[in-house]
Amino acid sequence: EPEVTQTPSHQVTQMGQEVILRCVPISNHLYFYWYRQILGQKVEFLVSFYNNEISEKSEIFDDQFSVERPDGSNFTLKIRSTKLEDSAMYFCASSDWGGGGETQYFGPGTRLLVL
Amino acid sequence: AQTVTQSQPEMSVQEAETVTLSCTYDTSESDYYLFWYKQPPSRQMILVIRQEAYKQQNATENRFSVNFQKAAKSFSLKISDSQLGDAAMYFCAYRSKLGGSNYKLTFGKGTLLTVNP
Repeated sequence: EPEVTQTPSHQVTQMGQEVILRCVPISNHLYFYWYRQILGQKVEFLVSFYNNEISEKSEIFDDQFSVERPDGSNFTLKIRSTKLEDSAMYFCASSDWGGGGETQYFGPGTRLLVL
Repeated sequence: AQTVTQSQPEMSVQEAETVTLSCTYDTSESDYYLFWYKQPPSRQMILVIRQEAYKQQNATENRFSVNFQKAAKSFSLKISDSQLGDAAMYFCAYRSKLGGSNYKLTFGKGTLLTVNP
């Protein structure tokens, strides 16, 4: 069964460093998403991406964040200068299209720790 | 903006028994989607069940069923014949059906379900 994959599973970084989180969505999917979950809190939407551009972003997704689909398979989230409060689990999700309420399938997450 | 409320931070159930997890939501839209996701200790988010608001029939998936009360804006999850593997955090989520780009999921805070042997 196709699944969303994410790398790395864990990342530890120093405050102020740049990190890139990688995701490989399900191959025929067209809509891609990033969510984050701070430990003990609910899952929060960051950004959605369709047709090589951002379709929606939350107030969390400020200028420190960017997303890219550099090739036909990868979808990345970059945090330019990490802060302590960026420590969280980051989930990538994909759906085959968005208009019909199609299910978003989640990857296993990347646990980011900023020291 | 839509909000999703899960009023039970924790629930427990005996193996083979039935448990119901509550979820309420607030929206001004008439058509939308509701989901229950399960997050086991591995922290992967796994879809449990999905409901389309315009469908009056409650969704079911094997031992999992929902009680969707649209007027009350309530969407509870019933797990029958609970198994040890059902132990997880359960999140209720809302998704708009409006056009444009309102495809994000809005999650509740979750309910931690413990299954006792």
